[in-house]
Amino acid sequence: GQSLEQPSEVTAVEGAIVQINCTYQTSGFYGLSWYQQHDGGAPTFLSYNALDGLEETGRFSSFLSRSDSYGYLLLQELQMKDSASYFCAVSRMDSSYKLIFGSGTRLLVRP
Amino acid sequence: EPEVTQTPSHQVTQMGQEVILRCVPISNHLYFYWYRQILGQKVEFLVSFYNNEISEKSEIFDDQFSVERPDGSNFTLKIRSTKLEDSAMYFCASGGGVNSGNTIYFGEGSWLTVV
Repeated sequence: GQSLEQPSEVTAVEGAIVQINCTYQTSGFYGLSWYQQHDGGAPTFLSYNALDGLEETGRFSSFLSRSDSYGYLLLQELQMKDSASYFCAVSRMDSSYKLIFGSGTRLLVRP
Repeated sequence: EPEVTQTPSHQVTQMGQEVILRCVPISNHLYFYWYRQILGQKVEFLVSFYNNEISEKSEIFDDQFSVERPDGSNFTLKIRSTKLEDSAMYFCASGGGVNSGNTIYFGEGSWLTVV
C-alpha cells in the first residue's frame, strides 16, 4: 500500500516563508506532486518532482529526496490568498499514473 | 488554457436513484480519472481509464459504479443506486497529454448530495 504524512495545519503571517513537509511510503515510486485546494474548489496543480532536488515556480518551490522518501513545498512571500489546503500526492510506475493524496495541510495566513 | 469541465456542478438525488456525472477531459490527454472527496477529507482515487477501458480501480469503486467514454470527448461516472454515504464532491481529472508530462488536471467538481 501507500501512505503519506503531512502536518494537518500550519499558520504563518503575510510576507513570511512556510515549508510544508511530506513523507511517503510506497513501492514503485514515480514522482511527488503538490496541489492547492481552496474551500469548495478543485485541486490545482502546483509542482511536480520526479528527481531529487528543488523545482522553483515563482513563489512556490518543491523539493524531493527519493532516498529519504521526503519532500516539501516552500511558499515564499505569503499572501492572504495562499490560505488553502495543500496536498502532496505520489504517483507510481506500475499504475495508470494515478495520484494517491495525503490528508492535506491546512495553511492559514494571518495579516 | 485547456481545462477539464464537469456537469452538473451540484446535484441532489434521492437514495436509490441513479446518477450520471459528466466530464469533458482535456482533448489531447490519454488518461482519465474520477476521484471523490467527502467533505473535510482527502481526495480519494476511484478509477482510471485508458485506451477505452478501466486501467485501475480502487476498493471504493464497487459494482454500483461504472464509467464510460461514449464518444470522443465525454467521460461519465454512473452511480447505479445511490446511498447516503455517496454524498461527496466528485472530481474528474485527465493527464498524460503530449505537453502535460505526468501532471494531472482536475475539473471543478460535481457536488453530489444524496438525501
